[in-house]
Amino acid sequence: NAGVTQTPKFQVLKTGQSMTLQCAQDMNHEYMSWYRQDPGMGLRLIHYSVGAGITDQGEVPNGYNVSRSTTEDFPLRLLSAAPSQTSVYFCASSYSAVGRNTEAFFGQGTRLTVV
Amino acid sequence: GENVGLHLPTLSVQEGDNSIINCAYSNSASDYFIWYKQESGKGPQFIIDIRSNMDKRQGQRVTVLLNKTVKHLSLQIAATQPGDSAVYFCAENYGQNFVFGPGTRLSVLP
Repeated sequence: NAGVTQTPKFQVLKTGQSMTLQCAQDMNHEYMSWYRQDPGMGLRLIHYSVGAGITDQGEVPNGYNVSRSTTEDFPLRLLSAAPSQTSVYFCASSYSAVGRNTEAFFGQGTRLTVV
Repeated sequence: GENVGLHLPTLSVQEGDNSIINCAYSNSASDYFIWYKQESGKGPQFIIDIRSNMDKRQGQRVTVLLNKTVKHLSLQIAATQPGDSAVYFCAENYGQNFVFGPGTRLSVLP
């Protein structure tokens, strides 16, 4: 059981480049989300999805796009990378929408540096 | 990752002693809370949860206390071990999502 798998683990981008962070889960979870983690600021929600075909914005969505074409996958796209997007990114999933009191399972993270 | 924990409050505890990590949450309507542990270079891992209709819940070596009056959550770790060294986050359920606290770094001294 792989759980939540994120790729890549590390990435360096130049300002203005685009890329997609991949996230896949094999637990048939409805709810998936993306967070960024910056020093001293905990985890901040970027985008989330309560099921295939449904996405919504979190606390810090600007500069990021997501889609949810399947239950398993929830990629995060940076269309034009900026140094302010240097961070560690975590994907998480849970059985149902978190509001129904279920824990979230996290991936191992992607460390992104934008130069 | 390696940058997690910079500027975080740090709790240093002697191996074998008990640890208490505190968290203030923001929304009085939050009805579900989780403590996560994050080791360096890894994603957060679930430790224990508690619903708002409880004020205490115990797990293996861990206890979570909830005081809704002052919106305060604490995590107690009994007989702290070197493997407990990590950053600990509380999270409160807010609507469909969680809001995470900034975290506390626990350092276990030999």
